[in-house]
Amino acid sequence: NAGVMQNPRHLVRRRGQEARLRCSPVKGHSHVYWYRQLPEEGLKFMVYLQKENIIDESGMPKERFSAEFPKEGPSILRIQQVVRGDSAAYFCASSPLQSENQPQHFGDGTRLSIL
Amino acid sequence: ILNVEQSPQSLHVQEGDSTNFTCSFPSSNFYALHWYRWETAKSPEALFVMTLNGDEKKKGRISATLNTKEGYSYLYIKGSQPEDSATYLCAFKGGSGGSNYKLTFGKGTLLTVNP
Repeated sequence: NAGVMQNPRHLVRRRGQEARLRCSPVKGHSHVYWYRQLPEEGLKFMVYLQKENIIDESGMPKERFSAEFPKEGPSILRIQQVVRGDSAAYFCASSPLQSENQPQHFGDGTRLSIL
Repeated sequence: ILNVEQSPQSLHVQEGDSTNFTCSFPSSNFYALHWYRWETAKSPEALFVMTLNGDEKKKGRISATLNTKEGYSYLYIKGSQPEDSATYLCAFKGGSGGSNYKLTFGKGTLLTVNP
Protein backbone atom coordinates (compact mmCIF):
# COMPACT_ATOMS: atom_id res chain seq x y z
CA ASN A 1 0.00 0.00 0.00
CA ALA A 2 1.25 3.44 -0.85
CA GLY A 3 1.72 5.78 2.09
CA VAL A 4 0.51 9.36 2.33
CA MET A 5 1.41 11.16 -0.90
CA GLN A 6 1.94 14.89 -0.92
CA ASN A 7 2.65 17.05 -3.92
CA PRO A 8 4.43 19.03 -4.90
CA ARG A 9 7.47 18.35 -2.71
CA HIS A 10 8.70 21.89 -3.25
CA LEU A 11 6.66 24.91 -4.24
CA VAL A 12 7.91 28.41 -4.93
CA ARG A 13 5.48 31.31 -5.10
CA ARG A 14 5.76 35.07 -5.28
CA ARG A 15 4.01 37.26 -2.74
CA GLY A 16 0.33 37.64 -3.61
CA GLN A 17 0.04 34.37 -5.55
CA GLU A 18 -1.96 31.34 -4.52
CA ALA A 19 -0.48 28.08 -3.25
CA ARG A 20 -2.28 24.74 -3.52
CA LEU A 21 -0.91 21.77 -1.61
CA ARG A 22 -2.29 18.31 -2.25
CA CYS A 23 -2.47 15.27 -0.03
CA SER A 24 -3.64 11.78 -0.92
CA PRO A 25 -4.12 9.77 2.28
CA VAL A 26 -3.29 6.11 2.71
CA LYS A 27 -5.87 4.06 0.79
CA GLY A 28 -8.84 3.43 3.05
CA HIS A 29 -8.03 6.27 5.46
CA SER A 30 -10.86 8.77 5.81
CA HIS A 31 -9.27 11.11 8.38
CA VAL A 32 -6.78 13.75 7.26
CA TYR A 33 -4.74 16.20 9.34
CA TRP A 34 -2.56 19.09 8.21
CA TYR A 35 0.42 20.34 10.23
CA ARG A 36 2.84 23.19 9.60
CA GLN A 37 6.48 23.50 10.58
CA LEU A 38 7.74 27.06 10.60
CA PRO A 39 11.53 27.60 10.64
CA GLU A 40 13.04 26.68 14.03
CA GLU A 41 9.63 25.49 15.29
CA GLY A 42 8.00 22.10 15.90
CA LEU A 43 5.08 20.69 13.94
CA LYS A 44 1.87 22.60 14.70
CA PHE A 45 -1.66 21.33 14.08
CA MET A 46 -3.67 23.26 11.50
CA VAL A 47 -6.83 21.38 10.54
CA TYR A 48 -8.58 18.01 10.83
CA LEU A 49 -10.91 16.81 8.08
CA GLN A 50 -13.04 13.81 7.34
CA LYS A 51 -14.53 13.19 3.91
CA GLU A 52 -16.43 16.36 2.93
CA ASN A 53 -16.30 17.74 6.49
CA ILE A 54 -14.00 20.08 8.38
CA ILE A 55 -13.98 18.80 11.97
CA ASP A 56 -11.50 21.21 13.58
CA GLU A 57 -9.75 24.14 11.90
CA SER A 58 -8.67 25.84 15.12
CA GLY A 59 -4.98 25.81 14.15
CA MET A 60 -5.46 27.41 10.76
CA PRO A 61 -5.15 31.19 10.26
CA LYS A 62 -8.64 32.61 9.74
CA GLU A 63 -7.74 34.57 6.66
CA ARG A 64 -6.29 33.34 3.37
CA PHE A 65 -6.11 29.67 4.42
CA SER A 66 -8.68 27.04 3.56
CA ALA A 67 -8.77 23.24 3.44
CA GLU A 68 -11.02 20.66 1.89
CA PHE A 69 -11.26 16.88 1.61
CA PRO A 70 -13.79 16.13 -1.12
CA LYS A 71 -15.64 12.86 -1.59
CA GLU A 72 -13.37 12.07 -4.53
CA GLY A 73 -9.77 13.16 -4.86
CA PRO A 74 -7.06 14.43 -2.57
CA SER A 75 -7.27 16.84 0.32
CA ILE A 76 -6.24 20.36 -0.65
CA LEU A 77 -4.70 23.05 1.54
CA ARG A 78 -5.09 26.38 -0.20
CA ILE A 79 -3.28 29.59 0.71
CA GLN A 80 -4.41 32.73 -1.06
CA GLN A 81 -2.31 35.88 -1.46
CA VAL A 82 0.76 34.29 0.07
CA VAL A 83 3.13 36.34 2.22
CA ARG A 84 6.74 35.66 3.25
CA GLY A 85 5.59 34.38 6.65
CA ASP A 86 3.80 31.48 4.93
CA SER A 87 7.18 29.95 4.05
CA ALA A 88 7.20 26.64 5.89
CA ALA A 89 7.00 22.88 5.51
CA TYR A 90 3.41 21.63 5.37
CA PHE A 91 2.76 18.04 6.36
CA CYS A 92 -0.32 15.96 5.85
CA ALA A 93 -1.18 12.89 7.91
CA SER A 94 -3.98 10.34 7.74
CA SER A 95 -5.54 7.66 9.90
CA PRO A 96 -8.20 5.01 9.30
CA LEU A 97 -10.13 5.73 12.46
CA GLN A 98 -10.36 8.50 14.98
CA SER A 99 -8.99 6.90 18.12
CA GLU A 100 -6.25 7.72 20.60
CA ASN A 101 -4.69 4.31 19.82
CA GLN A 102 -4.16 5.04 16.14
CA PRO A 103 -0.90 6.56 14.89
CA GLN A 104 -1.16 9.24 12.25
CA HIS A 105 0.74 8.34 9.07
CA PHE A 106 2.66 11.27 7.62
CA GLY A 107 3.63 12.27 4.12
CA ASP A 108 7.01 13.70 3.11
CA GLY A 109 5.69 17.27 3.25
CA THR A 110 5.58 20.22 0.88
CA ARG A 111 8.25 22.86 1.34
CA LEU A 112 6.71 26.20 0.44
CA SER A 113 9.02 29.13 -0.30
CA ILE A 114 7.70 32.63 -0.85
CA LEU A 115 9.87 35.04 -2.83
CA ILE B 1 -1.35 26.45 25.20
CA LEU B 2 -0.14 22.89 25.69
CA ASN B 3 3.54 22.51 26.53
CA VAL B 4 5.39 19.46 25.25
CA GLU B 5 9.10 19.60 26.02
CA GLN B 6 11.83 17.28 24.83
CA SER B 7 15.34 17.04 26.16
CA PRO B 8 18.07 17.11 25.25
CA GLN B 9 17.66 19.15 22.08
CA SER B 10 20.52 17.21 20.47
CA LEU B 11 22.74 14.33 21.37
CA HIS B 12 25.93 12.82 19.93
CA VAL B 13 26.82 9.25 20.89
CA GLN B 14 29.27 6.63 19.71
CA GLU B 15 28.18 3.49 17.92
CA GLY B 16 27.33 0.86 20.50
CA ASP B 17 26.37 3.32 23.24
CA SER B 18 22.95 3.13 24.80
CA THR B 19 21.06 6.36 25.17
CA ASN B 20 17.77 7.82 26.32
CA PHE B 21 15.83 11.03 26.05
CA THR B 22 12.81 12.59 27.69
CA CYS B 23 9.44 13.96 26.71
CA SER B 24 7.38 15.90 29.26
CA PHE B 25 3.74 16.79 28.72
CA PRO B 26 0.68 18.01 30.68
CA SER B 27 -0.46 15.46 33.25
CA SER B 28 -4.14 16.40 33.01
CA ASN B 29 -6.71 15.03 30.58
CA PHE B 30 -4.35 12.53 28.97
CA TYR B 31 -5.37 10.57 25.87
CA ALA B 32 -2.13 9.30 24.31
CA LEU B 33 1.56 9.89 23.77
CA HIS B 34 3.10 9.17 20.35
CA TRP B 35 6.75 8.72 19.46
CA TYR B 36 7.97 9.30 15.91
CA ARG B 37 11.34 8.86 14.21
CA TRP B 38 12.10 11.49 11.57
CA GLU B 39 14.97 11.31 9.14
CA THR B 40 15.87 14.36 7.10
CA ALA B 41 13.88 14.73 3.86
CA LYS B 42 11.61 11.82 4.80
CA SER B 43 8.26 11.57 6.55
CA PRO B 44 7.96 11.07 10.33
CA GLU B 45 7.65 7.34 11.01
CA ALA B 46 5.42 6.18 13.87
CA LEU B 47 7.32 4.22 16.54
CA PHE B 48 4.91 3.87 19.46
CA VAL B 49 1.46 4.94 20.60
CA MET B 50 1.21 4.80 24.38
CA THR B 51 -2.06 5.20 26.22
CA LEU B 52 -1.82 3.62 29.69
CA ASN B 53 0.14 4.80 32.71
CA GLY B 54 3.04 2.42 33.22
CA ASP B 55 3.02 1.31 29.56
CA GLU B 56 6.30 -0.04 28.26
CA LYS B 57 6.67 -0.70 24.54
CA LYS B 58 9.56 -2.19 22.60
CA LYS B 59 10.51 -2.37 18.92
CA GLY B 60 13.88 -4.01 18.32
CA ARG B 61 16.52 -1.99 20.17
CA ILE B 62 14.15 0.90 20.88
CA SER B 63 11.82 0.99 23.86
CA ALA B 64 9.65 3.58 25.61
CA THR B 65 8.02 4.04 28.99
CA LEU B 66 5.12 6.23 30.07
CA ASN B 67 4.21 7.98 33.31
CA THR B 68 0.96 9.88 32.88
CA LYS B 69 0.66 10.91 36.53
CA GLU B 70 3.85 12.95 36.44
CA GLY B 71 3.70 13.71 32.72
CA TYR B 72 6.80 12.18 31.18
CA SER B 73 7.91 9.48 28.75
CA TYR B 74 11.38 8.11 28.12
CA LEU B 75 12.69 6.71 24.85
CA TYR B 76 15.63 4.31 25.11
CA ILE B 77 17.92 3.09 22.35
CA LYS B 78 20.16 0.15 23.19
CA GLY B 79 23.44 -0.28 21.33
CA SER B 80 23.01 2.73 19.02
CA GLN B 81 23.88 2.29 15.35
CA PRO B 82 24.62 5.02 12.75
CA GLU B 83 21.28 4.26 11.08
CA ASP B 84 19.54 5.34 14.31
CA SER B 85 20.62 8.91 13.56
CA ALA B 86 17.42 10.91 13.22
CA THR B 87 15.19 13.36 15.05
CA TYR B 88 12.93 11.68 17.61
CA LEU B 89 9.63 13.46 18.13
CA CYS B 90 7.07 12.98 20.83
CA ALA B 91 3.49 14.14 20.40
CA PHE B 92 0.76 14.43 23.01
CA LYS B 93 -2.99 14.04 22.66
CA GLY B 94 -5.13 15.63 25.37
CA GLY B 95 -4.79 18.48 27.83
CA SER B 96 -7.22 21.12 29.02
CA GLY B 97 -9.42 21.91 26.05
CA GLY B 98 -7.51 19.32 24.08
CA SER B 99 -8.75 16.46 21.98
CA ASN B 100 -8.16 12.82 21.21
CA TYR B 101 -7.15 13.58 17.61
CA LYS B 102 -4.94 16.69 17.65
CA LEU B 103 -1.22 15.98 18.13
CA THR B 104 0.85 18.57 19.99
CA PHE B 105 4.49 17.98 19.13
CA GLY B 106 7.69 18.67 20.97
CA LYS B 107 10.59 20.14 19.01
CA GLY B 108 12.39 16.81 18.95
CA THR B 109 15.73 15.37 20.01
CA LEU B 110 18.30 15.19 17.21
CA LEU B 111 20.39 12.04 17.68
CA THR B 112 23.67 11.59 15.85
CA VAL B 113 25.42 8.24 16.17
CA ASN B 114 29.09 8.36 15.19
CA PRO B 115 30.63 5.19 13.73
